[in-house]
Amino acid sequence: KAGVTQTPRYLIKTRGQQVTLSCSPISGHRSVSWYQQTPGQGLQFLFEYFSETQRNKGNFPGRFSGRQFSNSRSEMNVSTLELGDSALYLCASSIDGPDNSPLHFGNGTRLTVT
Amino acid sequence: GIQVEQSPPDLILQEGANSTLRCNFSDSVNNLQWFHQNPWGQLINLFYIPSGTKQNGRLSATTVATERYSLLYISSSQTTDSGVYFCAVGRGGSEKLVFGKGTKLTVNP
Repeated sequence: KAGVTQTPRYLIKTRGQQVTLSCSPISGHRSVSWYQQTPGQGLQFLFEYFSETQRNKGNFPGRFSGRQFSNSRSEMNVSTLELGDSALYLCASSIDGPDNSPLHFGNGTRLTVT
Repeated sequence: GIQVEQSPPDLILQEGANSTLRCNFSDSVNNLQWFHQNPWGQLINLFYIPSGTKQNGRLSATTVATERYSLLYISSSQTTDSGVYFCAVGRGGSEKLVFGKGTKLTVNP
């Protein structure tokens, strides 16, 4: 079974631009969660989608948004990029959600904002 | 919100040594998971263990939910065990999974 796939692996953007990251979950997994990882803040939860609905949201500004499609694939978007948005963005899928089943992470997208 | 504390923050071992990593949490939880992040950034789920004991090869984990801690045991460590070990806990419902700051393990040959 294929694992969680994130694209792209690396991204360099300029302050003020916007970016879209993609995540394909493990087949059969209906829940997709997004996390931001930085050296200073560690792993922080962004949001979780289940069956195309946002089920949970972390404490990030509205510039961070996401969606999930009918095939469970998910995208997250960051608008008006700031230098502080430079981070490793990780997507994780699970069968029923992180509360009830193991999380499986993708390899991440490393975003650099200059 | 729930607080998660992992100890020790850093650990250096010689290959073949055993180690115990600890995860303390501040409130009752119904979800606890252990992860290993390798030096290339990939996070691997080791255990989904809200309570009890599980073993997988050289690794085992025990969660004592009533006393609010979990332990991860690594026996006969190998250089490939190097990386950062995270525990994550959750109370379910509308509350998100909370990650600890991790234990950075270095296994020297």
